[in-house]
Amino acid sequence: DVKVTQSSRYLVKRTGEKVFLECVQDMDHENMFWYRQDPGLGLRLIYFSYDVKMKEKGDIPEGYSVSREKKERFSLILESASTNQTSMYLCASSLLPVVEGYTFGSGTRLTVV
Amino acid sequence: SQQGEEDPQALSIQEGENATMNCSYKTSINNLQWYRQNSGRGLVHLILIRSNEREKHSGRLRVTLDTSKKSSSLLITASRAADTASYFCATVFTSYGKLTFGQGTILTVHP
Repeated sequence: DVKVTQSSRYLVKRTGEKVFLECVQDMDHENMFWYRQDPGLGLRLIYFSYDVKMKEKGDIPEGYSVSREKKERFSLILESASTNQTSMYLCASSLLPVVEGYTFGSGTRLTVV
Repeated sequence: SQQGEEDPQALSIQEGENATMNCSYKTSINNLQWYRQNSGRGLVHLILIRSNEREKHSGRLRVTLDTSKKSSSLLITASRAADTASYFCATVFTSYGKLTFGQGTILTVHP
């Protein structure tokens, strides 16, 4: 069964900490994405990557960075966590071009205290 | 920015009834997709419809697309309590295929 695996289901971090959220896919997909999901705001795209070492800003990249050193792994980095980054973070992958749906991970619920 | 608007925001029905959810979007698209999300979990892809298609079926799901009105609908027939979830439409309009999501419809199916 093909999968997108997010390293943590729940995470609690302190304000100012550097936080790494890891995502690994085993489908040889070119595209990988990071979204955050908040009540009333829906899913918003933070960053995406269509190839190794490539990255593109999404709608809300401020306060985040990403790394894609290998095709299967896409990391989201919160350089200095803040309470307004408390959210559900969802990783997804897809083929390029997009001819079928995305595959999502189970999500990481991050709380910044 | 959010591409899609979904209607209704919440829908409550009895088992066996049909559920219809609507989605409108603003720009030309390559394809439109529907996803389901159970509470607190990741999204699961349900169906993809291309911009040159008008209707698509998958099991109890029927999706229509009207590109002239920039709208789509998802019909779930003979709903079950297990269909209770949030349903999202999402559009792809760039060559890189990034998805832009609507706000979602919360569907509750009462046994």
